[in-house]
Amino acid sequence: GENVEQHPSTLSVQEGDSAVIKCTYSDSASNYFPWYKQELGKGPQLIIDIRSNVGEKKDQRIAVTLNKTAKHFSLHITETQPEDSAVYFCAARSQAGTALIFGKGTTLSVSS
Amino acid sequence: GAVVSQHPSWVICKSGTSVKIECRSLDFQATTMFWYRQFPKQSLMLMATSNEGSKATYEQGVEKDKFLINHASLTLSTLTVTSAHPEDSSFYICSASPLYSSYNEQFFGPGTRLTVL
Repeated sequence: GENVEQHPSTLSVQEGDSAVIKCTYSDSASNYFPWYKQELGKGPQLIIDIRSNVGEKKDQRIAVTLNKTAKHFSLHITETQPEDSAVYFCAARSQAGTALIFGKGTTLSVSS
Repeated sequence: GAVVSQHPSWVICKSGTSVKIECRSLDFQATTMFWYRQFPKQSLMLMATSNEGSKATYEQGVEKDKFLINHASLTLSTLTVTSAHPEDSSFYICSASPLYSSYNEQFFGPGTRLTVL
């Protein structure tokens, strides 16, 4: 089955800096890769996603890149703000099933 | 759009009692709903997948007789924790996939904090 590895587990940046979180997946048939932001005590919020037929997608300060050959995808946050502090999860969905497989999460801390 | 609600947001119960958690998709119909469990500082663990009108599919190691799932309509799924024990205390989160979605996007509810005394 699908396995998703996520790095780093924690990331601390200064306000205004960029943050990059990387994930790798094992199933070459996976075709959907969402990213979720989870604040303490709340449910995950979908912030951006990318499909396997696209290499890059951007939404304001957030971008996701996908390298199908290497089976990895990354989340890029530019001009970070304190409110970006949260736990970020990557996920992948194998074409064979409907359940998302999640990485273990990255705790992002943005200090002002 | 794509809002998912859960009720209650938190619940405290005595050991041996049953607790029901509701998950509703408010502005879309969901072919599939998922139930996850999350321990502190850990990732989401898929418990089961439910499709409207059919039996839920449980992940390995999840007791179907303990975690009863009912998906009676395209907008409502319920999770009942039967004979709850302190080890069942956790954060339970549901998600739903819109009927119109070909890529099975999942939108999550706000979660339910269960504490069993």
